Amino acid sequence: KNEVEQSPQNLTAQEEEFITINCSYSVGISALHWLQQHPGGGIVSLFMLSSGKKKHGRLIATINIQEKHSSLHITASHPRDSAVYICAVPTQGGSEKLVFGKGTKLTVNP
Amino acid sequence: GAVVSQHPSWVICKSGTSVKIECRSLDFQATTMFWYRQFPKQSLMLMATSNEGSKATYEQGVEKDKFLINHASLTLSTLTVTSAHPEDSSFYICSASIGLAGTDTQYFGPGTRLTVL
Repeated sequence: KNEVEQSPQNLTAQEEEFITINCSYSVGISALHWLQQHPGGGIVSLFMLSSGKKKHGRLIATINIQEKHSSLHITASHPRDSAVYICAVPTQGGSEKLVFGKGTKLTVNP
Repeated sequence: GAVVSQHPSWVICKSGTSVKIECRSLDFQATTMFWYRQFPKQSLMLMATSNEGSKATYEQGVEKDKFLINHASLTLSTLTVTSAHPEDSSFYICSASIGLAGTDTQYFGPGTRLTVL
């Protein structure tokens, strides 16, 4: 069964700072998910990626399949980016079931 | 993009009552829906997987008689917490998948916060 580690657990940044959140997993996968959970609890899917890099606005996600590692970057961070960021991977290769990291709580101060 | 809704967004009930939570895919047909539970400051934990027209598959340790899942159509799945107790208080989240392959994106609902008094 896949195990997911995220770092850091907590991150405080000043507005406009460049943010990096890391995710490592133990078993080879076909795709990895990055999710955002706001203080109210609602979850938004940010990215699903299986290789290389994806970009959406100020968010960039990269994945290195060989190293079993992914990063989520936020450029020009803003207080509204404050949320918990969670990475999720299949429990095992080809599975629909996901296992989730514990999340990184990001606080961006004005 | 694909939207998943949940209803209600929050519910408070008395111990011993049953609560039904709905999960709908609004603009797509979901072959598979997943139900998760999240306790405070914890990760999401998969409770069960349901496919339209068939019985749900529950994860180890999840009581199927307590958490009844019905997936009556390709756009609706319901989770009923029967005889709820305070320890069932949690954040319940559903997600929906369009395809059958393991690489398909899961679209998450906004969640339902259940408080059992």
